Amino acid sequence: RKEVEQDPGPFNVPEGATVAFNCTYSNSASQSFFWYRQDCRKEPKLLMSVYSSGNEDGRFTAQLNRASQYISLLIRDSKLSDSATYLCVVNILFSGGYNKLIFGAGTRLAVHP
Amino acid sequence: GAGVSQSPSNKVTEKGKDVELRCDPISGHTALYWYRQSLGQGLEFLIYFQGNSAPDKSGLPSDRFSAERTGGSVSTLTIQRTQQEDSAVYLCASSFDSYYGYTFGSGTRLTVV
Repeated sequence: RKEVEQDPGPFNVPEGATVAFNCTYSNSASQSFFWYRQDCRKEPKLLMSVYSSGNEDGRFTAQLNRASQYISLLIRDSKLSDSATYLCVVNILFSGGYNKLIFGAGTRLAVHP
Repeated sequence: GAGVSQSPSNKVTEKGKDVELRCDPISGHTALYWYRQSLGQGLEFLIYFQGNSAPDKSGLPSDRFSAERTGGSVSTLTIQRTQQEDSAVYLCASSFDSYYGYTFGSGTRLTVV
């Protein structure tokens, strides 16, 4: 089983739609959680951190359920510019006292006119 | 600098040659990571540095791969006797505190012909 699992998509949605991505993780030592966005042939860029209480940044809402080891990202009022791959990322603390980011394989979103 | 800088941005090399990839992290970032991404694939962890030491080298795919970091700053990833399967984008990321996520460089696109 992969440490971080995402539906690869693609999600094809019209402009203005609401779309939700889900992610599950297997390591209970996971400390912090993120959604990164990666455009084609570009590096990943931090979209938002994910907190237990849930957090919102404009059209984007992220939620974390530690009990179920589940993370979600909701995008409202989709724009053409939202088309990208969304990476679910988990920061794990190892016994050696160091952290490592584990990336999901990503979910592709294509927003069409 | 303002961001994570990687060089070269593109490298084409002949099979069997050695290559050296460079990463200059954000000033003050003690944690430095190398990942690689093959075309259409997810991010694969290679190695992690905390300061000059590497507590986790578990992702290096073979003994042809090595990395070092000097002065707690610049890191070099060396691939000896390159093979075609080494072709990928090599991404470097740095962080002052992994809990808050990493910042990625724009990567080195390596093509082995």
